[in-house]
Amino acid sequence: NAGVTQTPKFRVLKTGQSMTLLCAQDMNHEYMYWYRQDPGMGLRLIHYSVGEGTTAKGEVPDGYNVSRLKKQNFLLGLESAAPSQTSVYFCASRSSPVAGVNTGELFFGEGSRLTVL
Amino acid sequence: TQLLEQSPQFLSIQEGENLTVYCNSSSVFSSLQWYRQEPGEGPVLLVTVVTGGEVKKLKRLTFQFGDARKDSSLHITAAQPGDTGLYLCAGYVSNTGKLIFGQGTTLQVKP
Repeated sequence: NAGVTQTPKFRVLKTGQSMTLLCAQDMNHEYMYWYRQDPGMGLRLIHYSVGEGTTAKGEVPDGYNVSRLKKQNFLLGLESAAPSQTSVYFCASRSSPVAGVNTGELFFGEGSRLTVL
Repeated sequence: TQLLEQSPQFLSIQEGENLTVYCNSSSVFSSLQWYRQEPGEGPVLLVTVVTGGEVKKLKRLTFQFGDARKDSSLHITAAQPGDTGLYLCAGYVSNTGKLIFGQGTTLQVKP
């Protein structure tokens, strides 16, 4: 079972370059998330989506853009990479709330390690 | 802005010892979760607590949700080397789909 797949797994960029991280899930989940993980800071939410065609800002959205054109895919873009964006990026997905209460388990990908020089 | 503060950030103990990790906030969350993460992998859910005052047990792990739904704790009894890892608490922000994480607690259990 594939679950949540992130590509690429590793990437090195120069300052100012652009790139896109792709997240694909095969669980028919409505909700998808992008987080970044830095030492001592846990996971910080960048953007999330509650359904196809919708996106919303998280805690640290600046410098990132996202798109959810298809239900199974959630793309994270860096238009002009900066060294501060060096991090490990995690994508996650989950099913819709039941009776309007958010309790669902997030299923994570294995992460994408990005280095910006 | 909702924040979750975890303590301690690092914990190194001997096998067989007990430990407690705390997750605190000034905000109310609709539910709170605990995840565990191994190096090079994504976090994996351990438990979800929903009701204020709720206590859940998972073998040697006991999870508690505060009465006011602002804080939670994870207690491990007789820790084993296999418990080593990064423990993360996370809270669902009410009326949104946001799941906010604490900074994490790195646990090392020495044999």
